[in-house]
Amino acid sequence: SQKIEQNSEALNIQEGKTATLTCNYTNYSPAYLQWYRQDPGRGPVFLLLIRENEKEKRKERLKVTFDTTLKQSLFHITASQPADSATYLCALNPNAGNMLTFGGGTRLMVKP
Amino acid sequence: DAGVIQSPRHEVTEMGQEVTLRCKPISGHNSLFWYRQTMMRGLELLIYFNNNVPIDDSGMPEDRFSAKMPNASFSTLKIQPSEPRDSAVYFCASSLRGTGNTIYFGEGSWLTVV
Repeated sequence: SQKIEQNSEALNIQEGKTATLTCNYTNYSPAYLQWYRQDPGRGPVFLLLIRENEKEKRKERLKVTFDTTLKQSLFHITASQPADSATYLCALNPNAGNMLTFGGGTRLMVKP
Repeated sequence: DAGVIQSPRHEVTEMGQEVTLRCKPISGHNSLFWYRQTMMRGLELLIYFNNNVPIDDSGMPEDRFSAKMPNASFSTLKIQPSEPRDSAVYFCASSLRGTGNTIYFGEGSWLTVV
């Protein structure tokens, strides 16, 4: 069956450190993968998109990698800040088009 | 731009009652999505419209759920009759059709069925 797996346990890190979140998928061949941020009581907000032919994408303190052989994406936040505390969701399209399927999300807590 | 607008933001209703959730997508977007989020199941796609036409409704849990998009600026998700297990946050989202386009979410409608 098709699965998108993110670590359901919260990730606790110290301010200033790099946070690394993992997204693994099985039985998909996505053309691209997206990462979203969700704050409590709010809707998810788009952060980054990476296509299947891209190995790495950066945006300010964010970096995403996409390994289609390992079927894995890593999401990094460098120089983390307490304001980065949120739940981060990965999403991919199971087939052609822009319909997205989401992972369960990983909650990140950055402590001052 | 006002973003995706959903109403109501919060709804508490009794089992058996009809619930109607409303959504106004971002102007110019031609794809609209209804998602449901719970702690147990995460964010699930219920139905997807493109140019006001339902494309994929395989995520709609059962016949009690129905969705319509009578025009490009309005959609409804209806639950009739509602049950306690329908309690969840329901998100509407919109995007411009095309591979890899960003999906913009509303703030959600928090439904509690007692």
